[in-house]
Amino acid sequence: NAGVMQNPRHLVRRRGQEARLRCSPMKGHSHVYWYRQLPEEGLKFMVYLQKENIIDESGMPKERFSAEFPKEGPSILRIQQVVRGDSAAYFCASSPQTSGRIYNEQFFGPGTRLTVL
Amino acid sequence: DQQVKQNSPSLSVQEGRISILNCDYTNSMFDYFLWYKKYPAEGPTFLISISSIKDKNEDGRFTVFLNKSAKHLSLHIVPSQPGDSAVYFCAASDGGSNYKLTFGKGTLLTVNP
Repeated sequence: NAGVMQNPRHLVRRRGQEARLRCSPMKGHSHVYWYRQLPEEGLKFMVYLQKENIIDESGMPKERFSAEFPKEGPSILRIQQVVRGDSAAYFCASSPQTSGRIYNEQFFGPGTRLTVL
Repeated sequence: DQQVKQNSPSLSVQEGRISILNCDYTNSMFDYFLWYKKYPAEGPTFLISISSIKDKNEDGRFTVFLNKSAKHLSLHIVPSQPGDSAVYFCAASDGGSNYKLTFGKGTLLTVNP
């Protein structure tokens, strides 16, 4: 029973390049969340997606960042024209279908560490 | 504007003793609280949680206490084991957006043999 998978685990980009981070949720999970952890900080919510829908992107920077969770395939977090300040660990989490529960436990992947040179 | 605060960046305890990790929050809309444990190069792993309608939740060696009036929660680990050495994150969510976790900065716990 594989957990949440993220790849690549480490990604190095030069300023101005594009970064694509992939997340495969746990089997049976239809909800995906992306968080970013800057050095010496806690994780910060970026976006919440269900299959083919963005539910809440309130934590995502308005420019250069986008996320998708297509019907088939992994969720993708895309950062265009990366800058040094984008260097961080990006964590994906997934959860099963919500059903009126007060909270739906999120299972985290190992993260992608993005370094912008 | 940090809504969840973990004021101790690190904590060191002896094996077998109690570890107490503290967390304060400012948002009175938070109604669910969680503790996650994180090893280096891994993602956070859920440890224990508590709803705001309770003041205590226990799971084996781990107990979480919630003091709503003080907006404070704590995680007790008894007895502490070397394998507990990790970064512990406190997180919270509110009923309006129960999927959005707000994390503290974490406390590095070191349990010495």
